[in-house]
Amino acid sequence: QITLKESGPTLVKATQTLTLTCTFSGFSLNTSAVGVGWIRQPPGKALEWLAIIYWDDDKRYSPSLKTRLTITKDTSKNQVVLTMTNMDPVDTGTYYCAHTWMTYFDYWGQGTLVTVSS
Amino acid sequence: QSVLTQPPSVSGAPGQRVTISCTGSSSNIGAGYDVNWYQQLPGTAPKLLIYDYNNRPSGVPDRFSGSKSGTSASLAITGLRAEDEADYYCQSYDSSLSESGVFGGGTKLTVL
Repeated sequence: QITLKESGPTLVKATQTLTLTCTFSGFSLNTSAVGVGWIRQPPGKALEWLAIIYWDDDKRYSPSLKTRLTITKDTSKNQVVLTMTNMDPVDTGTYYCAHTWMTYFDYWGQGTLVTVSS
Repeated sequence: QSVLTQPPSVSGAPGQRVTISCTGSSSNIGAGYDVNWYQQLPGTAPKLLIYDYNNRPSGVPDRFSGSKSGTSASLAITGLRAEDEADYYCQSYDSSLSESGVFGGGTKLTVL
């Protein structure tokens, strides 16, 4: 049974760095073709693809946010960490992590709401 | 503005068939990247509905189906039910974006 759970601060101030942790179980990030991605959703708006890290440490980032994002994995802890620098109120939203097999996200965490205050 | 364009809303009566389009370009759907569809019920995380254009994960009813034509993909829902009322998102990858992923802008399905 695959599960993922996001954790991190619920409130950050503008210009600060956000660090979110995705803790998962039921799969290994050492398995070929497996990855973990991050997706966010501003209140009342659409999903936005942020970043993904694969079993072989290949990393992809949204070009519009690439300079602000870093994704890393700790396979021994079954965790993936996303950092986003220079936070702004427009970054407010629910942040999801999800398991990916090849190209699709088949298991999602419950999401964590992050509010950025000015 | 997403590179994958979806209609903001569609509606249909119970029992009817509705389709949701996802229009891309030669750098994403037209380039052969897979298209996946997600259903998001109010207040919940998205759920994988269709993967690789027309495959359903275990547990997804066969009322849901996907297709592709050129630079567009479509999600069809037959025998519409009240519980289908949700937001639907298409997702793919794009070579012009360094092969990063992209979501469509989402479509709100209303069951009349």
